[in-house]
Amino acid sequence: GAGVSQSPSNKVTEKGKDVELRCDPISGHTALYWYRQRLGQGLEFLIYFQGNSAPDKSGLPSDRFSAERTGESVSTLTIQRTQQEDSAVYLCASSLDPSGRAHTGELFFGEGSRLTVL
Amino acid sequence: LAKTTQPISMDSYEGQEVNITCSHNNIATNDYITWYQQFPSQGPRFIIQGYKTKVTNEVASLFIPADRKSSTLSLPRVSLSDTAVYYCLVGDIGTGGFKTIFGAGTRLFVKA
Repeated sequence: GAGVSQSPSNKVTEKGKDVELRCDPISGHTALYWYRQRLGQGLEFLIYFQGNSAPDKSGLPSDRFSAERTGESVSTLTIQRTQQEDSAVYLCASSLDPSGRAHTGELFFGEGSRLTVL
Repeated sequence: LAKTTQPISMDSYEGQEVNITCSHNNIATNDYITWYQQFPSQGPRFIIQGYKTKVTNEVASLFIPADRKSSTLSLPRVSLSDTAVYYCLVGDIGTGGFKTIFGAGTRLFVKA
């Protein structure tokens, strides 16, 4: 597709269940980012991928959170044993290779996956 | 990473020019200044980026003084549809990964 695609758009789950959130970046974008946005708050960085590698996982809030990326394309953010404080919108963004001359720093965001933990 | 400070909210009326200032006292030599706009239930969208002096595009202008310790996003003749949150980011675009510097942004309310 033309833009970053995220699924599901909405997910309601029970406390203690695992959830998987998917991100399809723009074709050709080697960099991929996950952010979390709580209601009325700014964006909180979670993790960054360059290709299939994650050089920066510093934002993952706990070991219940993990992410992977395959084929330098799709990424999955997994939250295990969900807690109510995990309720938020999870945003994915992609960009061109940050080290490339064509890179302007522009991040292209998806519409997000809204997670509600009951 | 340079910390940014923006007003929490601003009000304006249709047709007015809006200026949102962002402070970034610890900006580094390689850092660029980027502004994003976010509407409710959408991801942020890139508006404008600059390094120094003035940058203008079809949407906005960005004014950056010589010391680069602040920047001002200028929106000419705003309309109701410009009501959104505006984020100022500062970072080295060559290293990848704008981390926690989105902050809370500035909520702009445009009234009729």
